[in-house]
Amino acid sequence: AQRVTQPEKLLSVFKGAPVELKCNYSYSGSPELFWYVQYSRQRLQLLLRHISRESIKGFTADLNKGETSFHLKKPFAQEEDSAMYYCALSGSNTGKLIFGQGTTLQVKP
Amino acid sequence: NAGVMQNPRHLVRRRGQEARLRCSPMKGHSHVYWYRQLPEEGLKFMVYLQKENIIDESGMPKERFSAEFPKEGPSILRIQQVVRGDSAAYFCASSPDRVANTEAFFGQGTRLTVV
Repeated sequence: AQRVTQPEKLLSVFKGAPVELKCNYSYSGSPELFWYVQYSRQRLQLLLRHISRESIKGFTADLNKGETSFHLKKPFAQEEDSAMYYCALSGSNTGKLIFGQGTTLQVKP
Repeated sequence: NAGVMQNPRHLVRRRGQEARLRCSPMKGHSHVYWYRQLPEEGLKFMVYLQKENIIDESGMPKERFSAEFPKEGPSILRIQQVVRGDSAAYFCASSPDRVANTEAFFGQGTRLTVV
C-alpha cells in the first residue's frame, strides 16, 4: 500500500537549534517525494522536491531508499519557520499526491 | 495571476442539503486535483480532472460525490445530501501538467460544516 508517515504531530524547538522533521514512506516503485509547507493563514505551497536536490530557505531533504525516508532538515531554525509541514509522494501516472498527517513546527524565541 | 481561487471559503449546510464547491485554476492550468482534509488528518486525494474529463476518481466516495471541470468555467465538487461526516476542508490544486512533472498550486480551501 502507498503510505506516508510523519510520526511527530508537533515538534517544538528553540531558535537556532537544528530541526529534523521525519517522513517515512511505503511505495513499491520509484516515488517522487515532496515537502509542502503551510504558514499561518496562507495556502499550502511547495517547499522542495527530491528530484531537484536543492535547498530552500535553508531546508534540505535527502531521499534514502534503503530506509524509505525523506526527512526534512535545517541546521538552525528561525522563528519564521513555524508552520505546518506535510511530506507527500507521487507515484502514479496521474500525479496525485499522497500526504502524511503533517507536523507542526513551533520555533520558540 | 491571482492563483488558485476557491469559493466559498466557508460553507455551512444542513444535513440533507447539497454543497457545491468551486475551484478556478491558475491561468493556463488544465489539470485540477481535489483533496479532502478531515479534522486531525492529512490531505486525502479525491479526484483528478483535466478539461472535460475525469482522469482518476479513485479517492471519491462511491455515492453522493461528483466532480466536473467543464470546458468553460471553474471545476465543481458537488456533494449531495450532505451528512455530518462530510464536514472537512476541501482543497483544490492545479498544474499545467501532471504534478509529477511540475509543481501543483493549491487554493485556500473551502471549509464545509454540516449542521
